[in-house]
Amino acid sequence: LAKTTQPISMDSYEGQEVNITCSHNNIATNDYITWYQQFPSQGPRFIIQGYKTKVTNEVASLFIPADRKSSTLSLPRVSLSDTAVYYCLVGDEGGGNKLTFGTGTQLKVEL
Amino acid sequence: GAVVSQHPSRVICKSGTSVKIECRSLDFQATTMFWYRQFPKQSLMLMATSNEGSKATYEQGVEKDKFLINHASLTLSTLTVTSAHPEDSSFYICSARDYQKGNQPQHFGDGTRLSIL
Repeated sequence: LAKTTQPISMDSYEGQEVNITCSHNNIATNDYITWYQQFPSQGPRFIIQGYKTKVTNEVASLFIPADRKSSTLSLPRVSLSDTAVYYCLVGDEGGGNKLTFGTGTQLKVEL
Repeated sequence: GAVVSQHPSRVICKSGTSVKIECRSLDFQATTMFWYRQFPKQSLMLMATSNEGSKATYEQGVEKDKFLINHASLTLSTLTVTSAHPEDSSFYICSARDYQKGNQPQHFGDGTRLSIL
């Protein structure tokens, strides 16, 4: 299983764009990159998933360089409600393999 | 979208009690579900992989006789914490994926807060 490394914490202010980078140097060919958000006492919530280049949905963008050894989750114009822990996971979703959670990034958004 | 439901959301019970937690996939079939445990201020730790119609696969260090897993149907997996003790108090979370739709992310339940007195 590919190991991921993220910053432990990040601070931001409302209205700012937040970029959280994740390193996954030993990502395998079949692995996808998935980001989840978790609020206290809740299960993780799916944010976005990608394999290469750029993926965008209504809440975030995911940037993946050509070597796929890292990825960046971009949250445009964060608000207080985006304060949460963000997890980057790498796994073979197509094969349904288990996912291993890293430490995650605690994002704190202030006024 | 895919929804995973967990029940109960919170359990408080005496030491020695066995507690059953249910995990259901509401609008898709899940041949495989996963059970995690999360202690305060820590990340999720995978406990076991629940396989429909066969035995669960446990992670190293997780006692299979302590944490009984049953996956009797394509939409339901149960985790039973047998003879629970205070050290078993934790946040238990399940996840499942819709394998019939190809590359799909895992979806998580809202977790069960287990408190053993």
